[in-house]
Amino acid sequence: ETGVTQSPTHLIKTRGQQVTLRCSSQSGHNTVSWYQQALGQGPQFIFQYYREEENGRGNFPPRFSGLQFPNYSSELNVNALELDDSALYLCASSSAGARDEQFFGPGTRLTVL
Amino acid sequence: GDSVTQMEGPVTLSEEAFLTINCTYTATGYPSLFWYVQYPGEGLQLLLKATKADDKGSNKGFEATYRKETTSFHLEKGSVQVSDSAVYFCALSEKGGSARQLTFGSGTQLTVLP
Repeated sequence: ETGVTQSPTHLIKTRGQQVTLRCSSQSGHNTVSWYQQALGQGPQFIFQYYREEENGRGNFPPRFSGLQFPNYSSELNVNALELDDSALYLCASSSAGARDEQFFGPGTRLTVL
Repeated sequence: GDSVTQMEGPVTLSEEAFLTINCTYTATGYPSLFWYVQYPGEGLQLLLKATKADDKGSNKGFEATYRKETTSFHLEKGSVQVSDSAVYFCALSEKGGSARQLTFGSGTQLTVLP
């Protein structure tokens, strides 16, 4: 059984740029959630995707957007990057019948200079 | 809104010592409760969960009991090992609604010395 994978592992961008992060869900999972983890903090919920639709959203501005594809993989896009966007971005997948039992990928470390 | 409060860290223990990490929560309904562990440079791993009052979650020698009356879910282990060194996160997920997002505490860094 393949776990959740994310790419890239690390990324360095400058303020104002745009970034796309990718996630492949665990086999058999059709729901993907994205979280932002600032250094020394717990993860904060960004949004969740189910059946290619945004299913719920945390307190993040519209410049954070996402997609889910028919194979359940997902992308997180962030426009107009700010210094405070520097964080570890975590993707988690779950099945529709057990959406609260989420399995996390290793994360993408984004640094904004 | 929902929130999770964890005891401040870091926590440093000697091998074979008893571990308690406190966690309390605030929620409007009756959430499911979780403990996740994060090893250096890795994502989060689900350690244990409990879905209703008085449930006990357990895994790898760790235990936590869902206490509705005190809104707590404290993590315990009778004898820690060096390999338990990691950051531990308490989290909740509200039942009901379509998006079952996790709300996390700020984490507790545990270091176990040989």
